[in-house]
Amino acid sequence: DIQMTQSPSSLSASVGDRVTITCRASQSISRYLNWYQQKPGKAPKLLIYAASSLQSGVPSRFSGSGSGTDFTLTISSLQPEDFATYYCQQSYSTPLTFGQGTRLEIK
Amino acid sequence: QVTLKESGPVLVKPTETLTLTCTVSGFSLSNATVGVSWIRQPPGKALEWLAHIFSNDEKSYTISLKSRLTISKDTSKSQVVLTMTNMDPVDTATYYCARIQGGRDYFDYWGQGTLVTVSS
Repeated sequence: DIQMTQSPSSLSASVGDRVTITCRASQSISRYLNWYQQKPGKAPKLLIYAASSLQSGVPSRFSGSGSGTDFTLTISSLQPEDFATYYCQQSYSTPLTFGQGTRLEIK
Repeated sequence: QVTLKESGPVLVKPTETLTLTCTVSGFSLSNATVGVSWIRQPPGKALEWLAHIFSNDEKSYTISLKSRLTISKDTSKSQVVLTMTNMDPVDTATYYCARIQGGRDYFDYWGQGTLVTVSS
């Protein structure tokens, strides 16, 4: 299995801050990396696919980058509705695997 | 409008078999470019992919649970069914079905999830 490791596990930030979350794969996954946002009690929502493609309807303050083993999700200017847990997911090979999540909290 | 909805028991006993149904709308299970996956999330924990099925009946399972899982579909009813045998309290989780985009294998639409508790 390909292991996905996110850092940090939790993060405190303020509205308007620029935030970066990283995801590292245990082996090269090219650009087969996707990002999701999950709010409490809700299903995850796709933000970014193929490392840097913005899903339709997702605000442009979200962006993704990286290839190989190292990837980042950046939120350029945090909004109140962005406080949530974020997950990366590799789709290079089955079993499809997720990171452990990064909880983004209000400072 | 694409929607997915999970249904099934909220409580199962240890050793029993869980059967979950995902009913989809807004797309067809005969669509060659998409499939349906099952993903679960124990309370307070991360997401775990379980299985997926595509229109050509291609199936894939997570290795650790492969012996306990069966995924199938009824295209005419727009339903995907997941069975998990020999349930254990550690299988307590919210179970989601999600549409998976073939080729890139990302989940673009999700159901609301259903919490399944395993307890005697």
